[in-house]
Amino acid sequence: EIVMTQSPPTLSVSAGERATLSCRASQSISSNLAWYQQKPGQAPRLLIYGASTRATGIPARFSGSGSGTEFTLTVSSLQSEDFAIYYCQHYNNWPCTFGQGTKLEIK
Amino acid sequence: QVQLQESGPGLVKPSETLSLSCTVSGGSIIRYFWSWIRQPPGKGLEWIGYVSDSGSTHYNPSLKSRVIISVDTSKNHFSLRLSSVTAADSAVYYCARHIGGSYLVAYDIWGQGTMVTVSS
Repeated sequence: EIVMTQSPPTLSVSAGERATLSCRASQSISSNLAWYQQKPGQAPRLLIYGASTRATGIPARFSGSGSGTEFTLTVSSLQSEDFAIYYCQHYNNWPCTFGQGTKLEIK
Repeated sequence: QVQLQESGPGLVKPSETLSLSCTVSGGSIIRYFWSWIRQPPGKGLEWIGYVSDSGSTHYNPSLKSRVIISVDTSKNHFSLRLSSVTAADSAVYYCARHIGGSYLVAYDIWGQGTMVTVSS
């Protein structure tokens, strides 16, 4: 089973600034990576798949990069609605697994 | 637009079987794969398994011996059965659609989730 490790566990950033979240896979997963946003009491929302493709309706301030074992989600110019928990997920093989999440909080 | 809705008991006794259903509305269950994913309170996400529109399945090895996922295309829904539950199975259970109709992909549409508590 591939282990996904996200860092940092919590990231404090001011509104209007840039946030950079990291995700590392325990072995190469090519570009088979997705990012989700989850707000309290809500289901996860797909932001990015294929490591860098934005899902339908996702604002351009969300961008993903990376391949192999190292991946990054960047949120430029944070809006109030962006403060949430972010999860990465690999789908390179079964079972797909998720990272433990990064909580993006207001500084 | 396509929406998913989970339904089933919110309370299950230890050693019994958890049964949930996910109804697909606004679109067809045909030509897609569908997964169950769970999240214990305050914790991360765990993929449970998937079913295709033809009924083929694949389960997480950690749960494989206790899980059955099935599909009913005539009713546009799919179901989860998890047997011999313990308190560790208490979680919010989500159903989700595989993006693009493939089996090894991300999940683009999720149900709102249903909390299941295992307790006597």
